[in-house]
Amino acid sequence: EAGVVQSPRYKIIEKKQPVAFWCNPISGHNTLYWYLQNLGQGPELLIRYENEEAVDDSQLPKDRFSAERLKGVDSTLKIQPAELGDSAVYLCASSPYGTGSGELFFGEGSRLTVL
Amino acid sequence: AQSVTQLGSHVSVSEGALVLLRCNYSSSVPPYLFWYVQYPNQGLQLLLKYTTGATLVKGINGFEAEFKKSETSFHLTKPSAHMSDAAEYFCAVSEGQAGSALIFGKGTTLSVSS
Repeated sequence: EAGVVQSPRYKIIEKKQPVAFWCNPISGHNTLYWYLQNLGQGPELLIRYENEEAVDDSQLPKDRFSAERLKGVDSTLKIQPAELGDSAVYLCASSPYGTGSGELFFGEGSRLTVL
Repeated sequence: AQSVTQLGSHVSVSEGALVLLRCNYSSSVPPYLFWYVQYPNQGLQLLLKYTTGATLVKGINGFEAEFKKSETSFHLTKPSAHMSDAAEYFCAVSEGQAGSALIFGKGTTLSVSS
């Protein structure tokens, strides 16, 4: 069974440029999460989807960040414009809502460097 | 609100020595508790989890953890460290509903010397 797939793995951009990250969750997982991981810190939730509905986006900085999960499968996280402080790893995870034991399955992450 | 505190951002042990990584949590509901491991430039991998039932849980690679409600703790242990155990370890808590987001601690870096 394929795991959570993220792309790109690495991205270097200049400040004020836009950037987008893509996530394909495990097949059948209807809950999808985007986490932000700063260097030396634990992951912090940005947004959680149940199918195509964003059920928790309270930590998403909506002035520059946006996310979508069309058709309740793949998801895209966008930053526009990027700032120096956005340099971090963006992790995507999925889980089967309503079943399972609460475990989240993580992708390898997208590492963003803003110059 | 839930929270996790990991005591010690960096733990160093010798190969063959006991590994003890500390985690305390705060939760207003019966928690689900997790330990994840992260190797450099990789995503998080589940080591073990506590949901209900037996409070001593065993995970992969010889790790185990014990849920102690009275101490609000979920410390991770391994009897004998191996060089390959060097990594970042994260403790996490959730509300227990499948699909709930995990709240992570800041992590503990484990170094193993020969």
